[in-house]
Amino acid sequence: GENVEQHPSTLSVQEGDSAVIKCTYSDSASNYFPWYKQELGKGPQLIIDIRSNVGEKKDQRIAVTLNKTAKHFSLHITETQPEDSAVYFCAASKGGSYIPTFGRGTSLIVHP
Amino acid sequence: NAGVTQTPKFQVLKTGQSMTLQCAQDMNHEYMSWYRQDPGMGLRLIHYSVGAGITDQGEVPNGYNVSRSTTEDFPLRLLSAAPSQTSVYFCASSYSGPGGNEQFFGPGTRLTVL
Repeated sequence: GENVEQHPSTLSVQEGDSAVIKCTYSDSASNYFPWYKQELGKGPQLIIDIRSNVGEKKDQRIAVTLNKTAKHFSLHITETQPEDSAVYFCAASKGGSYIPTFGRGTSLIVHP
Repeated sequence: NAGVTQTPKFQVLKTGQSMTLQCAQDMNHEYMSWYRQDPGMGLRLIHYSVGAGITDQGEVPNGYNVSRSTTEDFPLRLLSAAPSQTSVYFCASSYSGPGGNEQFFGPGTRLTVL
C-alpha cells in the first residue's frame, strides 16, 4: 500500500519567516495530494491540494509543489503569522480510490 | 449546512465497557470514514464506507465495528473498550469520484479508557 513520510515533525519559525514542510510517497499511481491544517481542539481542514497534472499551485501565502519523478511534494508558507501555528498533514491518494494515506503531521510554531 | 457532526465530544469509559460514537453529515456525501489520532502517529484509518450498506476495514480495525444504514449516519462501535483505544476519533466525509476529493472532518471525540 501507499506510504507517506512527512518531515519535519516540528518546525519553529519567527513571524515573517517562510516555512517548508516536505512529504514523500511510495505509490507512483497516486495522483491527488491534499494538505490539511489542524488547529488545537478541532478537526483537520483542507487548505490546498494539487493533482498530478500540475507542478505547482498557489493560494495567497500558501503554495504546494509536486515532483512526480522524485515522488515528493512540499507545502510552502511565506510571511508566516502566529495564526499559522497548527499541525499540518499531507496526504496522497490514487485514481479510483478515495482512501487517502496521511503523513504523521508537522507541528508548526510561529513565534511573534 | 451543519457539515460533519460528532457526538459526544468527550467520553470516559472503563475497560470492558462498550459504546457508540455517533457521526452524521448533511452534505449527501457517499464516502465516510473513521480515523483515530494519537500523538506522533498522524491519522490512521479505522473503517470506511463508500455508500449505504457498504463498509470496509482500514489500517487499524480491530476492536471496532461499523455499519452504514443511511447516507447520513456512520456510527463507530467499541465492542469492549481497552486502554489502547484511548485516542481522539475523527469522522470524515467526501464526495465520490476518481482521483480523490477533499475530506470534511468532524470536530472529534476525545475518548479515555481507564
